[in-house]
Amino acid sequence: DAKTTQPNSMESNEEEPVHLPCNHSTISGTDYIHWYRQLPSQGPEYVIHGLTSNVNNRMASLAIAEDRKSSTLILHRATLRDAAVYYCILCGSSNTGKLIFGQGTTLQVKP
Amino acid sequence: EAGVAQSPRYKIIEKRQSVAFWCNPISGHATLYWYQQILGQGPKLLIQFQNNGVVDDSQLPKDRFSAERLKGVDSTLKIQPAKLEDSAVYLCASSFFNTGYYGYTFGSGTRLTVV
Repeated sequence: DAKTTQPNSMESNEEEPVHLPCNHSTISGTDYIHWYRQLPSQGPEYVIHGLTSNVNNRMASLAIAEDRKSSTLILHRATLRDAAVYYCILCGSSNTGKLIFGQGTTLQVKP
Repeated sequence: EAGVAQSPRYKIIEKRQSVAFWCNPISGHATLYWYQQILGQGPKLLIQFQNNGVVDDSQLPKDRFSAERLKGVDSTLKIQPAKLEDSAVYLCASSFFNTGYYGYTFGSGTRLTVV
C-alpha cells in the first residue's frame, strides 16, 4: 500500500490559515489523495480529495504538487472546532479502494 | 442522507466474555469496512466486505474475531473470547465507487473496554 508522511503535530492560532503538508512519493497514477479528519470521540470525517488538480470546497482547499508526490491541505481560517487529527491517505484501484490510516497530524488551535 | 449507524455506543465486558457490534451502512453502499482504533493510533482495517462477500480479512484475528454481512446490508463484528488488548474503538464505514474514486462515510464507533 502506498504510504504517506505527515508531521506528528502542528499548532495554529485561531482565524489564521493552516497549511498541513503530506508527502507521498510512491503514489501511483490511479491513486486519489484523500484527507479525513477525526474530532475527539468521533469517527473520521471526509474533508476533501483530489487526483491531479487543486481542489476547493466549503471546508478546505487541497493543493497538489505538479509531480503529485506531495500535497497540502489548507484551512483558510482555523477555528477551535478545527482541532482534530488530520489524515492524508492515498486510495484507489491500486489497493482495491482501502483507506489505510497512518498516524496523521494532530492540529492544535489556540484562541 | 442518513449516516452509518453503529450500536452499542459503549460496551464494558470482562476478559474472556464475548461481545458483538452492529453496523448499518448507508443505503446503496456496496462496500463495508470494520476498523479497530486503539487509543492514540490511527484506525486499523480489520475486514472489508463487497456486498456480502469478504474482500480482505488479512488483519482480522480469526481465532477470536468474526464478522458477517447478511444480505449485503447490515454487518456484525464479534469477539469471543475478549482479551484486555481488544479495548479499542470499533469503527464501521461504508463506501461507494465512482470513476476511480471511493467515497467513505464512517460511523461514530463503539468504544469497547475489556476489564
